Amino acid sequence: GQQVMQIPQYQHVQEGEDFTTYCNSSTTLSNIQWYKQRPGGHPVFLIQLVKSGEVKKQKRLTFQFGEAKKNSSLHITATQTTDVGTYFCSGNYGGSQGNLIFGKGTKLSVKP
Amino acid sequence: DSGVTQTPKHLITATGQRVTLRCSPRSGDLSVYWYQQSLDQGLQFLIQYYNGEERAKGNILERFSAQQFPDLHSELNLSSLELGDSALYFCASSAWRSGTGELFFGEGSRLTVL
Repeated sequence: GQQVMQIPQYQHVQEGEDFTTYCNSSTTLSNIQWYKQRPGGHPVFLIQLVKSGEVKKQKRLTFQFGEAKKNSSLHITATQTTDVGTYFCSGNYGGSQGNLIFGKGTKLSVKP
Repeated sequence: DSGVTQTPKHLITATGQRVTLRCSPRSGDLSVYWYQQSLDQGLQFLIQYYNGEERAKGNILERFSAQQFPDLHSELNLSSLELGDSALYFCASSAWRSGTGELFFGEGSRLTVL
C-alpha cells in the first residue's frame, strides 16, 4: 500500500547545529504536509507543499518538495531547545484516497 | 487550543472489553480523521469521515468501527480489546474532503488495556 518513509528516526544535535529530516514516497504525492509533535503533545501543522520543486521558509525552518513530488525535506538552521519534538511528514496521494499517510517521524533532541 | 475535543483523555480497561472514544471537530470542519499512535510509532491512519459518510479507510482492524453523526461529532468504537490496542488515539478535523489543508488534532485519548 501507500507508504511514506521518513529518515532518520532519531537525531541528537548540539544546540546551534543544523538538522534535516527527509521524507520519501515510492509514488507521486498530490501534496505533502509537515507536523511537529512536542513531547506529550499532539501534532501541530507546520506547512503544506503542493507544487513540484516548491521551497518554503518559516524563520529557521526550510521546507522543500522534490521535483518529482516524491520526496520532501525539512531543514532547521541553528537548532534551539524549543525545536525539540518529533517531526512528521504526511503525504496525500490524492484521488479517491485523499487521506493523509504519515511517516514514522524524526525525533529531535537538542542538547543545550 | 486546536478546537478539537476528545474524550476521555485517559482510559484504562481490561482485555476483551469494549470502549468508545469521542471526538468533536473544530466548528465548521466536515472531515474527521482517526489515527492510532503506539509508543515511539508514527501516526497510523485508521479512518476518515466527511459530512457523515465514510471516505477513506486505512489499517483499521475489524474489531474497530467508527461513525460520524449528523452534528459532525465522531465516535471510534474498539471492541474485544487486546493488550496491543494500548495506544494514543488522535482525532483530527479538517475543512476539506480530501487530504488538502491543515489537520487540526485533538489532545488524544490514551487507552491502556490491562
